[in-house]
Amino acid sequence: GENVEQHPSTLSVQEGDSAVIKCTYSDSASNYFPWYKQELGKRPQLIIDIRSNVGEKKDQRIAVTLNKTAKHFSLHITETQPEDSAVYFCAASFLTGGNEKLTFGTGTRLTIIP
Amino acid sequence: NAGVMQNPRHLVRRRGQEARLRCSPMKGHSHVYWYRQLPEEGLKFMVYLQKENIIDESGMPKERFSAEFPKEGPSILRIQQVVRGDSAAYFCASSFRRGITDTQYFGPGTRLTVL
Repeated sequence: GENVEQHPSTLSVQEGDSAVIKCTYSDSASNYFPWYKQELGKRPQLIIDIRSNVGEKKDQRIAVTLNKTAKHFSLHITETQPEDSAVYFCAASFLTGGNEKLTFGTGTRLTIIP
Repeated sequence: NAGVMQNPRHLVRRRGQEARLRCSPMKGHSHVYWYRQLPEEGLKFMVYLQKENIIDESGMPKERFSAEFPKEGPSILRIQQVVRGDSAAYFCASSFRRGITDTQYFGPGTRLTVL
């Protein structure tokens, strides 16, 4: 079945440094890859997404890269700030039974050390 | 635009009782998805609904769980005869167009505690 693996599960980064979170997926037909940020006790919020027709997308300090051949995609956060501390989830779309579903990774708890 | 709304935010039930969770999608959205999140875990897909239709319920347990999205009013996730293992955060999300490839926006979640 569909599977999304996310690494690392926890990540501590000095403020100002970069953070990278990686995900792999199992279905080569997946074509949509969103990233969500979830602060403690809050809702998941979409921070960036990428579709399979591009290899990279940037939005200020956040970027996502996609390697369709290797079936992996990564989130890059540069110049990290304390407010970047949260749990980050990747997801990939899977087509099953004629309907698309999102399968989520297990999350990465990112801590920014002041 | 108030965004996706869910209520109640917190719900406490005793074993054997029923839990009803409500979700109002963003204005203009007609597609609703329900997810379950256990502590320290990711989001697990449960069910995908459109107005008056269940599109995909493959992630929902076949017993005790049901969902609906009527023509008028919010989407309802209903859990009958709750057990302790049902304790979790339940999130709904909505999108404008059909299918997952459209952006999903999440509600604040309902945290269900079964005593």
